[in-house]
Amino acid sequence: AQSVTQPDIHITVSEGASLELRCNYSYGATPYLFWYVQSPGQGLQLLLKYFSGDTLVQGIKGFEAEFKRSQSSFNLRKPSVHWSDAAEYFCAVGANTGFQKLVFGTGTRLLVSP
Amino acid sequence: DAGVTQSPTHLIKTRGQQVTLRCSPKSGHDTVSWYQQALGQGPQFIFQYYEEEERQRGNFPDRFSGHQFPNYSSELNVNALLLGDSALYLCASSSSYSGNTIYFGEGSWLTVV
Repeated sequence: AQSVTQPDIHITVSEGASLELRCNYSYGATPYLFWYVQSPGQGLQLLLKYFSGDTLVQGIKGFEAEFKRSQSSFNLRKPSVHWSDAAEYFCAVGANTGFQKLVFGTGTRLLVSP
Repeated sequence: DAGVTQSPTHLIKTRGQQVTLRCSPKSGHDTVSWYQQALGQGPQFIFQYYEEEERQRGNFPDRFSGHQFPNYSSELNVNALLLGDSALYLCASSSSYSGNTIYFGEGSWLTVV
């Protein structure tokens, strides 16, 4: 069965500083991996996804993530955080079997300090 | 191009009542999934509909049921509401033809009192 661990519940970053959010997954085959962002009271917006190929994927809003099979990780990064990035970030894993069910982590809340 | 749309946005129900939530998928998408997101938690998969049939189901009781219409829109029904059903219900759509990117709607906030 698939599972996702986001070890950091909260992270505080100064505006302009770099950001890395951790995500570890468990899945027996090559997974489909996603990062979503959720602003308070809102739905989920897709930031980026990994299906295959280049292990460094670029997303919207200047985010990128790197798939590391050996570490079962898919960490999200951004070189310079903006105050508008404050939100909840969810990592999710999907099976590559055609059924598009996602298993989510518990999320990491990003706080941006001035 | 409209994305995934859900209605209603917010609603309040009493314990024991029944609720119906609605979802229209993104244009060109034929697969609809429903997720429940309790406060402070990640979304949990309820079930998925494709070709008007339930294709996969998560660990939710039979009180949760759904339907998909020929135009691919979908409904989520919850019977005999419990306080613990209070959550954000998210609809997600995807295409069985063009990849596995999944898009979410803004959700329906259900409060059970």
